Amino acid sequence: EDKVVQSPLSLVVHEGDTVTLNCSYEVTNFRSLLWYKQEKKAPTFLFMLTSSGIEKKSGRLSSILDKKELFSILNITATQTGDSAVYLCAVVNGNKLVFGAGTILRVKS
Amino acid sequence: EPEVTQTPSHQVTQMGQEVILRCVPISNHLYFYWYRQILGQKVEFLVSFYNNEISEKSEIFDDQFSVERPDGSNFTLKIRSTKLEDSAMYFCASTGIIYEQYFGPGTRLTVT
Repeated sequence: EDKVVQSPLSLVVHEGDTVTLNCSYEVTNFRSLLWYKQEKKAPTFLFMLTSSGIEKKSGRLSSILDKKELFSILNITATQTGDSAVYLCAVVNGNKLVFGAGTILRVKS
Repeated sequence: EPEVTQTPSHQVTQMGQEVILRCVPISNHLYFYWYRQILGQKVEFLVSFYNNEISEKSEIFDDQFSVERPDGSNFTLKIRSTKLEDSAMYFCASTGIIYEQYFGPGTRLTVT
């Protein structure tokens, strides 16, 4: 059965802290791994990772994929209250996304 | 910036009624998807659609569900006879030739 597991389930940090969110996966037909941020409604696309070892970066967010160990991490540096959200990891398996349960991040001011 | 749109934002219906959820994918995208998220649970894949036909569907997508692209812009999900357990947020997504799927704002379906 296809599996995407995220950890931790939830996290509370203070503004300025750095956080690392984890995603491990086991799917039959891996194509790529995507990270999304979900606030009130729709998941908003952050990154797509297809190759191992290549860091994707956007501002304070960065992510990397390890296809040998089947995991990815999402780092957020200098967190702000606006980073509070659910962060979703999803793996493209064939023609569909398989989602993890998400990590709930709360950033306190 | 182009975006996926969905209507209505919230639909309330009675058990046994038919509902149609509408989506307008990003205009040059080729692949279209429906996902659902029951409150407090994971986002789950329902169906993918390419070249006017279903390319993959999940076990959830049984005979009460159907999808259609009736014209060049809309993509619809029909639920023929709604059940209480169909209450969820339904997301439409689309993608071009790569795997980045862009999601619409969702339709919250409440079945009473």
